[in-house]
Amino acid sequence: EPEVTQTPSHQVTQMGQEVILRCVPISNHLYFYWYRQILGQKVEFLVSFYNNEISEKSEIFDDQFSVERPDGSNFTLKIRSTKLEDSAMYFCASTRDRGAFFGQGTRLTVV
Amino acid sequence: AQSVTQLGSHVSVSEGALVLLRCNYSSSVPPYLFWYVQYPNQGLQLLLKYTSAATLVKGINGFEAEFKKSETSFHLTKPSAHMSDAAEYFCAVTLDTGRRALTFGSGTRLQVQP
Repeated sequence: EPEVTQTPSHQVTQMGQEVILRCVPISNHLYFYWYRQILGQKVEFLVSFYNNEISEKSEIFDDQFSVERPDGSNFTLKIRSTKLEDSAMYFCASTRDRGAFFGQGTRLTVV
Repeated sequence: AQSVTQLGSHVSVSEGALVLLRCNYSSSVPPYLFWYVQYPNQGLQLLLKYTSAATLVKGINGFEAEFKKSETSFHLTKPSAHMSDAAEYFCAVTLDTGRRALTFGSGTRLQVQP
């Protein structure tokens, strides 16, 4: 069964460093998303991407964040200068129609 | 703006008992509703979805949910709990085409006692 793949599964970074989280969405999906889940809290929407541009973003998705689809398969989330409060599980998701399919997540720890 | 409220952050049932996880939504337009399950240290798995067709929706692992517009509810049920059902369950809502961003509830942790 096709699935959304995320790498790495864990990432530890120092405060102020840049990180890139990578995702390979399901191949025939057209809509891509990033969500995050701070430990013990609800899942929060960050950004959606369609037709090579951002279609929707939340107030969390500020200038520190950017997304890119550099080729036909990868979808990345970049955090330019990480802060302690960016520590969370980051989920990539994709859909073709209704009902997003999520990856296993990348646990980002900022120290 | 849309929102969902999940009543009960923790639910404990005995193996073989009925599972009922509650979700109420708030939306100014007809919503699309979803239930996701998250096992420890794993991602979110889509259990089922309501997209304005049948109001009773069947999902994976024997779960089902009924959309009740009059009660603005989308409760998740399973007739007989299994130990493997122990996980966190999230209700989510989106609007418009259903491809818009999901708004999640705060989750309900289901414990299944032997």
